[in-house]
Amino acid sequence: ETGVTQSPTHLIKTRGQQVTLRCSSQSGHNTVSWYQQALGQGPQFIFQYYREEENGRGNFPPRFSGLQFPNYSSELNVNALELDDSALYLCASSEQGVYNEQFFGPGTRLTVL
Amino acid sequence: AQSVTQLGSHVSVSEGALVLLRCNYSSSVPPYLFWYVQYPNQGLQLLLKYTSAATLVKGINGFEAEFKKSETSFHLTKPSAHMSDAAEYFCAVDTGRRALTFGSGTRLQVQP
Repeated sequence: ETGVTQSPTHLIKTRGQQVTLRCSSQSGHNTVSWYQQALGQGPQFIFQYYREEENGRGNFPPRFSGLQFPNYSSELNVNALELDDSALYLCASSEQGVYNEQFFGPGTRLTVL
Repeated sequence: AQSVTQLGSHVSVSEGALVLLRCNYSSSVPPYLFWYVQYPNQGLQLLLKYTSAATLVKGINGFEAEFKKSETSFHLTKPSAHMSDAAEYFCAVDTGRRALTFGSGTRLQVQP
């Protein structure tokens, strides 16, 4: 059974640029959630995708957007990067309705200069 | 809105000593509660979950947690700490709103 994978591992961008992060969900999981974890803090929910539709969103601006593909993999896109977007971005997959038990990937470390 | 509070951003114990990490939740509906562990430069790993089946929940690596509704608590314990337990621990709550809400985390140090 393959776990949740994310790419790239690390990324350095400059302010104002755009970035795309990728996530492959665990086999059998149809739901993907994205979280932002700033240094020294707990993860903050960005949004969730289920069957290719956004299924819930946290308190993040519209420049954070996403996609889910038919194979349940997902992308997180961030436009007009700001310095405060520097964080670890975590992807989690789950089966819809199963106690929301989420399985996390290793994350992508984004640094915005 | 649901939330969790983790008391103590840093906890230090000696190897072999009891580990107690505190988590209090706030929820207007029966919650699902989780404990996750994060090792340096890694993602989150599920330690255990409470889904209303039993108030004492056993997880991996010898950890367990007890759901106490009267105290709105879900503290994590382990009878005997091991050096490999050193990590960041997060309590999280879900009330069916699609997202997990995490606490700010507790860093556990284990002294030899």
